[in-house]
Amino acid sequence: EPEVTQTPSHQVTQMGQEVILRCVPISNHLYFYWYRQILGQKVEFLVSFYNNEISEKSEIFDDQFSVERPDGSNFTLKIRSTKLEDSAMYFCASSIGAGSHEQYFGPGTRLTVT
Amino acid sequence: AQSVTQLGSHVSVSEGALVLLRCNYSSSVPPYLFWYVQYPNQGLQLLLKYTTGATLVKGINGFEAEFKKSETSFHLTKPSAHMSDAAEYFCAVSDRGSQFYFGTGTSLTVIP
Repeated sequence: EPEVTQTPSHQVTQMGQEVILRCVPISNHLYFYWYRQILGQKVEFLVSFYNNEISEKSEIFDDQFSVERPDGSNFTLKIRSTKLEDSAMYFCASSIGAGSHEQYFGPGTRLTVT
Repeated sequence: AQSVTQLGSHVSVSEGALVLLRCNYSSSVPPYLFWYVQYPNQGLQLLLKYTTGATLVKGINGFEAEFKKSETSFHLTKPSAHMSDAAEYFCAVSDRGSQFYFGTGTSLTVIP
């Protein structure tokens, strides 16, 4: 069964450093997403991406964040200058459509900022 | 604005007992509703969803949920809990855009 994959599973970085989280969505999906889950809190939407551009973003997704689909398979989330409060589990998801279509989630990348 | 409230961050049931996980939503448009399960160190897996039509929806692993518009609820049930059901459960609502709004999750413990 096709699945969303994410690398790395765990990333430790120092405050102020740039990190890139990588995702390979399911191949025939058209919508791509990033969510994050701070420990003990709810899963929060960051951004959705369709047709090579951002379709929706939350207040969390400020200028420190960017997304890219550099080729036909990868989808990346870059955090330009990490802060302690960026420590969280980051989930990538993909779907064949928006709205009623289920989103398929990857296993997550745990980002620890020290 | 859309939001989801899951009552009870931790629920414990005995093996073989009824599982009831509560979800109430707020939506400015007719919602699409989802339940996801998260096992330790894994991503979120879809259990079931409601979009239109029959208000009682059946999902995987014997779970079902009923959409009650008058109560703005979408509670998840399973008649008989199994040890393998121990996990974190998340209710989510979509406002027909691309964003899902998740609840804070309910951790289910199954006692042998």
